[in-house]
Amino acid sequence: TQLLEQSPQFLSIQEGENLTVYCNSSSVFSSLQWYRQEPGEGPVLLVTVVTGGEVKKLKRLTFQFGDARKDSSLHITAAQPGDTGLYLCAGVSLNDYKLSFGAGTTVTVRA
Amino acid sequence: GAGVSQSPSNKVTEKGKDVELRCDPISGHTALYWYRQSLGQGLEFLIYFQGNSAPDKSGLPSDRFSAERTGGSVSTLTIQRTQQEDSAVYLCASSQVALAGGIQYFGAGTRLSVL
Repeated sequence: TQLLEQSPQFLSIQEGENLTVYCNSSSVFSSLQWYRQEPGEGPVLLVTVVTGGEVKKLKRLTFQFGDARKDSSLHITAAQPGDTGLYLCAGVSLNDYKLSFGAGTTVTVRA
Repeated sequence: GAGVSQSPSNKVTEKGKDVELRCDPISGHTALYWYRQSLGQGLEFLIYFQGNSAPDKSGLPSDRFSAERTGGSVSTLTIQRTQQEDSAVYLCASSQVALAGGIQYFGAGTRLSVL
């Protein structure tokens, strides 16, 4: 059973469209991280959100942490083929260093 | 190198054989983690090393799995008597500090296929 549920599992869109990926849990986390992983590579950290209700922007990517620190979303505006990859959310436990990962959302942006 | 290095990048083995996977963390990083990534399953925590402290082995799925870290640097994950369900990508990560939320830097992983 995944501690973090990501949806959708797969997303295929046309270049220029917007997309949103969701990460939900019944558990509270001290912070939440988003990673992008490309084929044959390890995950690379995109952002860490710490405060409930926090919104962070990274160019065309907007990350939001839920008020209760149980869920998060990633929104990509005007997606480009370079945004293609597996997006993973990971919750940082309140008590220790461990990351709990979601199963990931595979995003494909068609040119 | 500047990043986390893992070897081999691919390993094909027969059921019942033992395998060793190697991880070279970023120099100076005291914390080292092993994860397993199966298709559609996300990353599963296996084991964690921090300095000279006893490792946290709570994520190891069975006693066929073991890991060691020599000299606070290179780590080896050993799987004995491999089974087909062990097939997955094994990822190593290191971080400068072990505090919650510390940035973990991942290697490219070892793809293990057990025939």
